[in-house]
Amino acid sequence: DAKTTQPNSMESNEEEPVHLPCNHSTISGTDYIHWYRQLPSQGPEYVIHGLTSNVNNRMASLAIAEDRKSSTLILHRATLRDAAVYYCILRDPVRGSNYKLTFGKGTLLTVNP
Amino acid sequence: DAMVIQNPRYQVTQFGKPVTLSCSQTLNHNVMYWYQQKSSQAPKLLFHYYDKDFNNEADTPDNFQSRRPNTSFCFLDIRSPGLGDAAMYLCATSTVTAGGLETQYFGPGTRLLVL
Repeated sequence: DAKTTQPNSMESNEEEPVHLPCNHSTISGTDYIHWYRQLPSQGPEYVIHGLTSNVNNRMASLAIAEDRKSSTLILHRATLRDAAVYYCILRDPVRGSNYKLTFGKGTLLTVNP
Repeated sequence: DAMVIQNPRYQVTQFGKPVTLSCSQTLNHNVMYWYQQKSSQAPKLLFHYYDKDFNNEADTPDNFQSRRPNTSFCFLDIRSPGLGDAAMYLCATSTVTAGGLETQYFGPGTRLLVL
């Protein structure tokens, strides 16, 4: 299964942009890149996903490298509420062993006031 | 608001005493999942139901069972809890779409303590 590599932790200041990197050098052509986050004492929540093109939604932006071997989740203005563990997950929409969400260790984002 | 509900939020049980955790959903999703998350670790999928079809992960211990009596409810049964089963148990739901890219919606979790 294709795996992802993320930094263990990152720190940001409130109101500043945050770029969370994810490496996935063994990504297959049918893998989508998903991001979930888990706030303290809560279940994970969906953030964004993409295949090849950059994606934007109300929560964040996803920038995908041209070779798809890496991606970056961008929080445009971090707030204290964005402090969470962010998980980058590869998922193949075709039902098979890689269909499910397999969480890695994620990146713990700390936001300083 | 449509949501995934887990009760109780905290559950204490004794070593070896069977325990059941509950999950309900108002999203009318056809897939329900159970994850185990130990302290400082990532969530790990135990099993899931696709409608009434049960799908067990290969490395899920036999000690863990699940029931889904209807679309809205799903239960996690731990037949003989050991100290190593102390964890947060997360329920999630999703609905299968034509593109296969459904989002999973998680409940707040039940934290299980085994004494």
